[in-house]
Amino acid sequence: DAGITQSPRHKVTETGTPVTLRCHQTENHRYMYWYRQDPGHGLRLIHYSYGVKDTDKGEVSDGYSVSRSKTEDFLLTLESATSSQTSVYFCAISDHGTVNTEAFFGQGTRLTVV
Amino acid sequence: QQQVKQSPQSLIVQKGGISIINCAYENTAFDYFPWYQQFPGKGPALLIAIRPDVSEKKEGRFTISFNKSAKQFSLHIMDSQPGDSATYFCAAPSGYSTLTFGKGTMLLVSP
Repeated sequence: DAGITQSPRHKVTETGTPVTLRCHQTENHRYMYWYRQDPGHGLRLIHYSYGVKDTDKGEVSDGYSVSRSKTEDFLLTLESATSSQTSVYFCAISDHGTVNTEAFFGQGTRLTVV
Repeated sequence: QQQVKQSPQSLIVQKGGISIINCAYENTAFDYFPWYQQFPGKGPALLIAIRPDVSEKKEGRFTISFNKSAKQFSLHIMDSQPGDSATYFCAAPSGYSTLTFGKGTMLLVSP
């Protein structure tokens, strides 16, 4: 497996609380992505980064923010978690962007908002 | 915004049979169409990808067929095996560095 670590792997949180998920890579890839996976919806892009402090929104970015202060770390924050954000979250990395090269996915974080 | 329609949603194939999954996309300025495979509890992993300067790409038992005029591409799994049981996602470019994924096809290969 590519050197991608997501933490935590599982989390249960209450509605209205802030939550931060972490993605750490050891591959020095330029691009990092956050996806959510839900039954019937497949993989949907939340946010992505194309370099340190360079980020952009994906198709389902509302309610989420991201930060990338180092090449190896990409954080996803739910400012005030809602039940609709219960999902499995995947981080992915890519050297030249997923349109050109392979994306390597982490093992996922299962988040439950109660 | 790119949309990718994938069918069927689920598929049951007998061992040794052919599995076929279809995808259709809208518009794209970039030519790169991958398929990802996901086993339960794991992240997706690249299975095979095509750049449509060719209409077909084969890697072992897996083949992508591409029809650029119809904006459609498909994955064929020959001699399907129980170990191929997984969820398969097609994807199409939605920007310079992002992909839009289909909703996935859950394949079960019965022994």
